Amino acid sequence: GAVVSQHPSRVICKSGTSVKIECRSLDFQATTMFWYRQFPKQSLMLMATSNEGSKATYEQGVEKDKFLINHASLTLSTLTVTSAHPEDSSFYICSAAPPGGYSPLHFGNGTRLTVT
Amino acid sequence: SQQGEEDPQALSIQEGENATMNCSYKTSINNLQWYRQNSGRGLVHLILIRSNEREKHSGRLRVTLDTSKKSSSLLITASRAADTASYFCATVSAGGTSYGKLTFGQGTILTVHP
Repeated sequence: GAVVSQHPSRVICKSGTSVKIECRSLDFQATTMFWYRQFPKQSLMLMATSNEGSKATYEQGVEKDKFLINHASLTLSTLTVTSAHPEDSSFYICSAAPPGGYSPLHFGNGTRLTVT
Repeated sequence: SQQGEEDPQALSIQEGENATMNCSYKTSINNLQWYRQNSGRGLVHLILIRSNEREKHSGRLRVTLDTSKKSSSLLITASRAADTASYFCATVSAGGTSYGKLTFGQGTILTVHP
């Protein structure tokens, strides 16, 4: 079964609204989670590294105020897309690092965000 | 930034044939991993090969790594229609934490016809 749960799987929102995506590790405590973005038929681009109890580390070019990340517990990280616009429409995927410090990562099933 | 380049971008074969996908990368790595993604879904880890390894097997999968050429290949033997998916290589940079962030290749779309 899935060890990382991502919710919702699909969301449609109106331009200007905010959307929250949750990523939960079910079988282990994850001090580190990662958020990726994927455009259609393209690869995954790392957006940010979410660290439990501290600020997220964003990749170059990713707007911190646009994509708010909160990792308040060892099993939950959230990504909030604020004031969403149509260009934010994409597939967002989270992953969690199991304890012990070794790959592979466990990935959620992704969230398809459509901003109208 | 994406450092992995994969070829071919798309591969179409018949069931029972072997499928080979290649991945190249630019910087030194700690390990290289291959993932599979079914359409519109998350990623499933297939196999990990460390920088000091040259070849690994897992079931019908065979991965090779050539660090001198900064390249890797994934071979799927006796392919099945259920193998139809996108396949990505991903690297963890040398010097980073072992579960450090992954840098993904562009992916190969594999279609296996029954």
